[in-house]
Parts: sequence; C-alpha cells; structure tokens
Amino acid sequence: GQSLEQPSEVTAVEGAIVQINCTYQTSGFYGLSWYQQHDGGAPTFLSYNALDGLEETGRFSSFLSRSDSYGYLLLQELQMKDSASYFCAVRDRTGRRALTFGSGTRLQVQP
Amino acid sequence: ETGVTQSPTHLIKTRGQQVTLRCSSQSGHNTVSWYQQALGQGPQFIFQYYREEENGRGNFPPRFSGLQFPNYSSELNVNALELDDSALYLCASSPQGASTDTQYFGPGTRLTVL
Repeated sequence: GQSLEQPSEVTAVEGAIVQINCTYQTSGFYGLSWYQQHDGGAPTFLSYNALDGLEETGRFSSFLSRSDSYGYLLLQELQMKDSASYFCAVRDRTGRRALTFGSGTRLQVQP
Repeated sequence: ETGVTQSPTHLIKTRGQQVTLRCSSQSGHNTVSWYQQALGQGPQFIFQYYREEENGRGNFPPRFSGLQFPNYSSELNVNALELDDSALYLCASSPQGASTDTQYFGPGTRLTVL
C-alpha cells in the first residue's frame, strides 16, 4: 500500500526557518509533491521533486532523497500568512495522475 | 484563464438521500480527480476521469459515482448518504501532457449529512 508520515503540528515564530519532514512508502514512485491549504481554502501546489536534491522556489524549498524515501519542505523567513496546513503527496497507486496525501502538518506562525 | 470552480459551496442532506456535486475544470485541462477531505485529514482520492471515462478509483464504494462531460466539466454523485460522508469534497484538474503531478484544486463543496 501507500502511506505518508508527517508531523501533525509545528510552531515557529515570524522570521524563523521551519522544516516539515515527510517519509513515504509507495509501490512505484514518481515524485513527491507539497501542497499548502489555509483554513477553509483549497490545497494549492507548492513544489514537486522527482529527482534527489533541493528545489528552491522563493522562500520555499523542497528536498527529496529517493533512497531514504524521505523529503522535506523548508520554509524560510516565516510570515504570519504561512500559517496553514502543509501536505506531502505521492502519485496514487493506480498510477494515474491522482495523489495520495499525508495527514498534513499544521504550521502555526507566532509573532 | 478561469480556475477550477465547484458548486454548490455548502450543502446539507439527511441520511439516505442522494447528492450531486459539480465541477468545472480549468481551461485546457482534460483530467479531473475528485477527493474527499474529512476534518483534520488530508484529501483522499475518490476517482479520476479522463476523456469522459473513469481512469482510476480509490477505496470508495460504488455508491460514489461520477461523470465527465465533453467540455471536461464533471459531476460527483453519492447515493444512500451516510453520516460519515460529511466532508469537504474537492475536485482537481490537471492539464494534458503534464510532466508533474500538479493538480489544480477547486474551492470545494462542504457536505453535511444529518
């Protein structure tokens, strides 16, 4: 089957750096995605890693190690608006372009 | 470019009833997936449609069914509603030939079953 593990909650202060880890088990790995979801909102795409290494997009970076079945999302220069839930996801076992999501990490940014 | 839209925004039904939720895909996207998101959980894959055919299904019973139309809009139908069907229902579209697993989500329909 497929499963993803990520911490349920993380708290940090404005301006800090926070790392959200994700470990996964999947049959047939294509890539690891990250989505952000504010309360009451829709998930929005943040990043995608298919190969090992670090991908940087502005204040957000994502890392993947395929050999360790592990990835993380790094958020720098935290802002209050970054308070949201963050989900890692892998392609669903059906192999189609649908996703299996982790349970999400709720990030609370404090002043 | 219009994003993914869903209707209605909120819906209240009673146990045993049937419900139809609607989704309009983002322009140029021919694949649509439906997800169920319970409170405090990640979205769970229900099924996916591509060119009006079901293209994959998650672990949901047959009373969850769907349709995709020639204009790529889509419906999710749920029969014999149960209390546990109360959730946020999200549809997501993805473009033809995408090189990533990027999905573009609509705002969702909040379904409450009493």
